Amino acid sequence: EGRLLESGGGLVKRGESLRLSCAASGFAFSDYAINWVRQAPGKGLEWVSSISSSSSHIYYAASVEGRFTIARDNSKNSLYLQMNGLRDEDTAVYYCMSDPKVRGDPVRGQGTLVTVSS
Amino acid sequence: DIQMTQSPSTLSTSVGDRVTITCRASESISGWLAWYQQKPGEAPKLLIYKASRLEAGVPSRFSGSGSGTDFTLTINSLQPDDFATYYCQQYITYPYTFGQGTKLDIK
Repeated sequence: EGRLLESGGGLVKRGESLRLSCAASGFAFSDYAINWVRQAPGKGLEWVSSISSSSSHIYYAASVEGRFTIARDNSKNSLYLQMNGLRDEDTAVYYCMSDPKVRGDPVRGQGTLVTVSS
Repeated sequence: DIQMTQSPSTLSTSVGDRVTITCRASESISGWLAWYQQKPGEAPKLLIYKASRLEAGVPSRFSGSGSGTDFTLTINSLQPDDFATYYCQQYITYPYTFGQGTKLDIK
């Protein structure tokens, strides 16, 4: 069964940077488009960014455009989210998840918590 | 951006009930709609894609319907494991957008 495992979350100060990682196992990672989705405490789901299987197509939510960078390394079965200029409103659990357009079995991580504090 | 509006926000239900959750898009998304189930402390789980197609392993009591702007998630004979929050998501265009969620409570 395919799995994703996020890491890299933590407590940072406003304006600082953090890099999240998402390690894939048990499925053909290089065939999957992957999304980052976040959830602020007690709130709903918010799509953050998407990357296609070959990295040829990348998209961002307006709220993170210019501050966050998504990337992947298919040779390492890994996905990344570089987050710069963190703001209070970036505080959330960040999930990596397969894109619903992918026609393989869906995969999801367990989430990693990012807390931005002044 | 396409706005997704779910109703109701909360639904008090009982085991064995038939539950219907609606999701409306601010413009046509054809059938590019997914439904997710989320339990506390867990990642969202994809239940239905392309509005009505059940993911492998999802119980047949779950079904989805609709196209264009109006969609429905139906759960027949609610089971204890189904008490969770459900989200719709459009994925016809970026930015992908989610509904605000529908929480099923035990009556």
